[in-house]
Amino acid sequence: EDKVVQSPLSLVVHEGDTVTLNCSYEVTNFRSLLWYKQEKKAPTFLFMLTSSGIEKKSGRLSSILDKKELFSILNITATQTGDSAVYLCATDRGGTASKLTFGTGTRLQVTL
Amino acid sequence: DAGVTQSPTHLIKTRGQQVTLRCSPKSGHDTVSWYQQALGQGPQFIFQYYEEEERQRGNFPDRFSGHQFPNYSSELNVNALLLGDSALYLCASSLGGTVTQYFGPGTRLLVL
Repeated sequence: EDKVVQSPLSLVVHEGDTVTLNCSYEVTNFRSLLWYKQEKKAPTFLFMLTSSGIEKKSGRLSSILDKKELFSILNITATQTGDSAVYLCATDRGGTASKLTFGTGTRLQVTL
Repeated sequence: DAGVTQSPTHLIKTRGQQVTLRCSPKSGHDTVSWYQQALGQGPQFIFQYYEEEERQRGNFPDRFSGHQFPNYSSELNVNALLLGDSALYLCASSLGGTVTQYFGPGTRLLVL
């Protein structure tokens, strides 16, 4: 059975801090890893990573995948209160259907 | 460009009843996946529909069934509701075999 583990489970930081969220996985026929941000209900898509060592960036957020060690990190620099959310990591295995397997998420709270 | 929409937003049912949840995919998308998210957990894959057929199914009992219509919208039906079915039900849409799924706001189901 596919397994996705995220750490830490929760994190409280001050505005302006940099945070690193971790995601490790055990997936048969791994194809890609995705990061989502969930503030209230709908998870919103952040990144999809398929190749090792290539950093994806969007503003203050960046992510990298290590397919040899089977993990990914999500970095957020200069955090803002609007970054407070649950960050979900999900993996997809190869095949016709894309079935995402999610971790339990990291709850990030950014305080003033 | 309309995103994924779901109805209703909230629902309260009693044990043993049946429920139908609805989802309209993002414009241009033809694939719909359903997920169940219990409190404090990541979403769990229920099933995926493509071309009006169930393409893949997660570890959920037969009480969970679905349907996809010619306009790509979809329904999730749950029979003989149990207390443990209380959760946020998320619908996600994608295009064909692409991996990236876009989520709707969810339907929060409470079973009393």
